[in-house]
Amino acid sequence: GNSVTQMEGPVTLSEEAFLTINCTYTATGYPSLFWYVQYPGEGLQLLLKATKADDKGSNKGFEATYRKETTSFHLEKGSVQVSDSAVYFCALSGANSKLTFGKGITLSVRP
Amino acid sequence: NAGVTQTPKFRVLKTGQSMTLLCAQDMNHEYMYWYRQDPGMGLRLIHYSVGEGTTAKGEVPDGYNVSRLKKQNFLLGLESAAPSQTSVYFCASSPGLAGGPGETQYFGPGTRLLVL
Repeated sequence: GNSVTQMEGPVTLSEEAFLTINCTYTATGYPSLFWYVQYPGEGLQLLLKATKADDKGSNKGFEATYRKETTSFHLEKGSVQVSDSAVYFCALSGANSKLTFGKGITLSVRP
Repeated sequence: NAGVTQTPKFRVLKTGQSMTLLCAQDMNHEYMYWYRQDPGMGLRLIHYSVGEGTTAKGEVPDGYNVSRLKKQNFLLGLESAAPSQTSVYFCASSPGLAGGPGETQYFGPGTRLLVL
């Protein structure tokens, strides 16, 4: 079945540091890939998505590229801010028409 | 446009009690979902609905029931609560079933449930 694996957390960075959060997946067919973000006390909201191989999703300075050859969708940001502190979830949607989420990773950014 | 709303925000139950969580969306979305979020487990799908009057089981359906009598509402019921059901519950909706290219789910703010 489908599965999503995220790197272990939590991650603590200083403001303006470079961020990479790893995500790999196992799926049948050709899934769409997503990053969702959960700010403290809130529900999840879509950060970015990619629907096919080699697509790059981007939003709010975050980027992720759909890599079919390595089955990965790593999230990157060149310069993080305190306001980026949140929980980040990688997810996929596949031929079975349901979303499968990774376990999430907590990012804390220090001033 | 309120998006997805959930009622209540927080609830404490005793083992064996029953309760219903209400989810409402005003975006005219066809599909709705109930998830539970537990530490270190991510989000797991409990039940979902592909339209008014329909429901289907997700990954962890045991101990829960759902109903979708109106398109805008999706109810999650616990008939006899157990401590293992202590969790944060999220409702979500989408225009079409997740799995179509790039379909996005919109989430409510969550309900924290504590079962003693």
